[in-house]
Amino acid sequence: EVQLLESGGGLVQPGGSLRVSCAASGFTFSSYAMTWVRQAPGKGLEWVSAISDGGGNTYYADSVKGRFTISRDNSKNTLFLQMNSLRAEDTAVYHCAKAKGLVTPFDYWGQGTLVTVSS
Amino acid sequence: EIVLTQSPATLSLSPGERATLSCRASQRLSSSYLAWYQQKFGQAPRLLIYGASNRATGIPDRFSGSGSGTDFTLTISRLEPEDFAVYYCQQYGSSRTWTFGQGTKVEIK
Repeated sequence: EVQLLESGGGLVQPGGSLRVSCAASGFTFSSYAMTWVRQAPGKGLEWVSAISDGGGNTYYADSVKGRFTISRDNSKNTLFLQMNSLRAEDTAVYHCAKAKGLVTPFDYWGQGTLVTVSS
Repeated sequence: EIVLTQSPATLSLSPGERATLSCRASQRLSSSYLAWYQQKFGQAPRLLIYGASNRATGIPDRFSGSGSGTDFTLTISRLEPEDFAVYYCQQYGSSRTWTFGQGTKVEIK
């Protein structure tokens, strides 16, 4: 059974940093692209970042480019999102999601971890 | 950047009725890289349809997708109580960006 479990969310001040993680199980992690999608409270889904199966290719939404970094450790079946220079508008539940490749839909999602940016 | 516009924002229907949800893209989508997701309150989204018209694993056949180019439709033939949720369309992979529509809420009338 595919499982994606996010962790690392919390309260951070504007301008601060946070790293969220996604532990994957139930599939061959190193064979699949992975993504981060966020959802602000009461709002819709916003794609944030994607990474290829080997980690050599990364992609970002304009809203986070230059501030967020996606990475993965295939030896530990874990996906990361390093978030710097956080703003109030980054407050959201951050979901990791699995994709077969970079031109495929997201077939499994985690429940998400809440990041709150506030003073 | 491709923008997806969903309509209506809210659909009020009764169980057993037919639901028709629309998703319009600002540019033609190549190879129908269009998916639909269902999200219930407090849950993660679930993939329903990919490639505009292909049901994902385990999705009941009352869900169907159609369309091409810039206009796409999700149809739920007969609403079950568990189908009342928010539905999002998504284009995937065009220019290595992924975009969601703003969502359509299907609520009980």
